[in-house]
Amino acid sequence: AQTVTQSQPEMSVQEAETVTLSCTYDTSESDYYLFWYKQPPSRQMILVIRQEAYKQQNATENRFSVNFQKAAKSFSLKISDSQLGDAAMYFCAFMNRDDKIIFGKGTRLHILP
Amino acid sequence: DAGVIQSPRHEVTEMGQEVTLRCKPISGHNSLFWYRQTMMRGLELLIYFNNNVPIDDSGMPEDRFSAKMPNASFSTLKIQPSEPRDSAVYFCASSPDREQPQHFGDGTRLSIL
Repeated sequence: AQTVTQSQPEMSVQEAETVTLSCTYDTSESDYYLFWYKQPPSRQMILVIRQEAYKQQNATENRFSVNFQKAAKSFSLKISDSQLGDAAMYFCAFMNRDDKIIFGKGTRLHILP
Repeated sequence: DAGVIQSPRHEVTEMGQEVTLRCKPISGHNSLFWYRQTMMRGLELLIYFNNNVPIDDSGMPEDRFSAKMPNASFSTLKIQPSEPRDSAVYFCASSPDREQPQHFGDGTRLSIL
């Protein structure tokens, strides 16, 4: 069975600094997708970044980037130049080719002014 | 320790038919969320309840969609009439309160022919 683990329930970072949120997963499949979602107080789930497992290059979206280590089954999210608006709950998610998606329990990120 | 239970796991039906998705949240959780997952749009929040009361249904796409939570242990998401573009995976999640991490069900894969 696939599992997704986010080992940091909460994290804090100083504004303008860089923070890395960790995520590990377990699967026997070789073809899948990985996602990071941001959930602000509005409760909407916002897709931050997406990575296809067959791509070796790490995905990047502006200040957000991932460190995808397929062999280690690790998918960490790096947020550079943290801003107050980045404060939210962040979910790591795994999805296989059958569209089955599994979420981690989330990491609450606090941005300190 | 039962998690969030969704039924059915898969639903295939013809367009125009009524579809009812069901969710049993974790006992003691006061917040319940309905999401829709598609590859194009990612995960979208449709509606969430707090203490059985709908708090925000701005994500419900059309009047064809309705959700109820008659008691703390049961919720339904209904689509009537269904259309092919409603095909997606629908997730239910619950949390102890709005600020706590959400626990996701396994989802219902809906296919409208």
